[in-house]
Amino acid sequence: QKEVEQDPGPLSVPEGAIVSLNCTYSNSAFQYFMWYRQYSRKGPELLMYTYSSGNKEDGRFTAQVDKSSKYISLFIRDSQPSDSATYLCAMIYTGTASKLTFGTGTRLQVTL
Amino acid sequence: DTEVTQTPKHLVMGMTNKKSLKCEQHMGHRAMYWYKQKAKKPPELMFVYSYEKLSINESVPSRFSPECPNSSLLNLHLHALQPEDSALYLCASSQDNSGGNTIYFGEGSWLTVV
Repeated sequence: QKEVEQDPGPLSVPEGAIVSLNCTYSNSAFQYFMWYRQYSRKGPELLMYTYSSGNKEDGRFTAQVDKSSKYISLFIRDSQPSDSATYLCAMIYTGTASKLTFGTGTRLQVTL
Repeated sequence: DTEVTQTPKHLVMGMTNKKSLKCEQHMGHRAMYWYKQKAKKPPELMFVYSYEKLSINESVPSRFSPECPNSSLLNLHLHALQPEDSALYLCASSQDNSGGNTIYFGEGSWLTVV
């Protein structure tokens, strides 16, 4: 079993839809959670960073962490074609070096 | 725009060549990283430098040799690579290596070994 599970997709949604991207993890030692967006042939771009259970909002993006269920989500409101990319969840153990453990990434396609 | 700059963006090299990838950041970060990413896979950690000293080597073959000349620069020296080493090589940085810091990536260097 992988430490971090993420549905690889692809996920196809119409423009304007609300997108829900999810990851589950198995080790409760993960304490810091990140979402990265990666366009084709580009490096990952940090979207959201959270370290506690609850919601964090930034524009059209909301990151949600539920540590009791070991489940994190990224919601994208009013999705745009420019949101078409691969979304990677990543997390870090408490007290270790900043060593990211990634999910496999979900490929999102937003259609006109 | 990312503040981690990588050069070159593309590199094609033969198996007997020696080349280097370069990375620079001006955010005052004291931890820098090399990751390798194959197609449709997440990035995999190769090396971590903390305060210009190598702190993590993820059992990377010796044909990859990292170097951190100062707190802003990180190099990856390449020698006698194999075709399976073709990948996107990503540099990243964070405030320090104490855990819990946000990690910022560069755009990457696409390496093709022929």
